[in-house]
Amino acid sequence: GQNIDQPTEMTATEGAIVQINCTYQTSGFNGLFWYQQHAGEAPTFLSYNVLDGLEEKGRFSSFLSRSKGYSYLLLKELQMKDSASYLCAVVSGGSYIPTFGRGTSLIVHP
Amino acid sequence: DGGITQSPKYLFRKEGQNVTLSCEQNLNHDAMYWYRQDPGQGLRLIYYSQIVNDFQKGDIAEGYSVSREKKESFPLTVTSAQKNPTAFYLCASSGDRGIYEQYFGPGTRLTVT
Repeated sequence: GQNIDQPTEMTATEGAIVQINCTYQTSGFNGLFWYQQHAGEAPTFLSYNVLDGLEEKGRFSSFLSRSKGYSYLLLKELQMKDSASYLCAVVSGGSYIPTFGRGTSLIVHP
Repeated sequence: DGGITQSPKYLFRKEGQNVTLSCEQNLNHDAMYWYRQDPGQGLRLIYYSQIVNDFQKGDIAEGYSVSREKKESFPLTVTSAQKNPTAFYLCASSGDRGIYEQYFGPGTRLTVT
């Protein structure tokens, strides 16, 4: 099976930078997704990492270290609308279906 | 516009009744999925289908059933055998077999009393 761990909740200030960590234990790692989910809404795709390193996409970046079983999502220039839950999901083994962590609820305050 | 739709947004049922949740996509995706989300929990996989007329149980399939008679449609039935059916249900689809991002519908919030 897989074990995916994320902090339950984080708070940050508008305009600041926040890093949301995700650690995982799995065999046969294939890739890692990050999704954003506003309360009561559908998750939306943010990023996909399969190789080590940093992938930058506007204000959002995602980092992966396969040897450490570790990823983070970096959000810069935080805006109030970034208040949401951020879901880490890992694909491993022979499956192409991601297993989701419990998500990190980010609260951005003025 | 291509997308994935679920209906209804909110659904109320009495205990002991079966209820079917709709999921339709026009993205021409082969794979479709049903997830359940409870407060403070991640998404848990109920069923998935890689191709028409074929589907597989996920991690929490007990008390649920599905069908995949058309590529566009993947309805989920919550049966009376499901012990704790009240939850937020999300349908998703993705491209061909392989690792692709999932596109999610808006969800159905089911309340059973």
